[in-house]
Amino acid sequence: DIVMTQSPVTLSVSPGERATLSCRASGSVNRNLAWYQQKPGQAPRLLIYGASTRATGIPSRFSGSGSGTEFTLTISSLQSEDVAVYYCQQYNNWPPWTFGQGTKVEIK
Amino acid sequence: EVQLVQSGGGLVQPGESLRLSCAASGFTFNNYWMTWVRQAPGKGLEWVAIIKKDGSETFYVDSVRGRFAISRDNAENSLYLQMNSLRDEDTAVYYCARFLEWISIPGWVDPWGQGTLVTVSS
Repeated sequence: DIVMTQSPVTLSVSPGERATLSCRASGSVNRNLAWYQQKPGQAPRLLIYGASTRATGIPSRFSGSGSGTEFTLTISSLQSEDVAVYYCQQYNNWPPWTFGQGTKVEIK
Repeated sequence: EVQLVQSGGGLVQPGESLRLSCAASGFTFNNYWMTWVRQAPGKGLEWVAIIKKDGSETFYVDSVRGRFAISRDNAENSLYLQMNSLRDEDTAVYYCARFLEWISIPGWVDPWGQGTLVTVSS
């Protein structure tokens, strides 16, 4: 199984500053990677698929990059409504479809 | 509007059974793979089971294989998860979700249902 490892566990960022989240795969997943946002008490929401394609309605401050085993989700200018846990998920080697353990983004 | 509305869930004792349901609307249900994903309290996301568009193929995470059964009724636009021989470690919020395809394989998940809590405790 492909193991997805996210870092850091918690990220504290000032409003308007850049947030950079990392996701590493235990083997190559090419660009078959998605990112999700989960706000407290809510279901997850798709942000990014294909490593860098924003889902419908996702603000342009969210961007994804990477391929192979190293991926990054960047929030260019953190807003208060971006406080959430962010998960990566690979769909290159399945089953199973595997998620990272999540990165919690908070306001500094 | 694409929507997934879940029902079922609740408190059960170890060894008991429970059935979750998910009603889909706003899209052509039989055109999509569907899945269940769970989240234990304070933990991350874990994919549980997936079913092909016509129900002809299913896959399960190792920890539930043989105990859980995913099924669908395309005429009723509904997805189900029959959970048998429940264990304490099955306690979680269970989400139903639609898989979107990439070159004819299930890839990413969108949207997600509202989630339903299953608590297994004596």
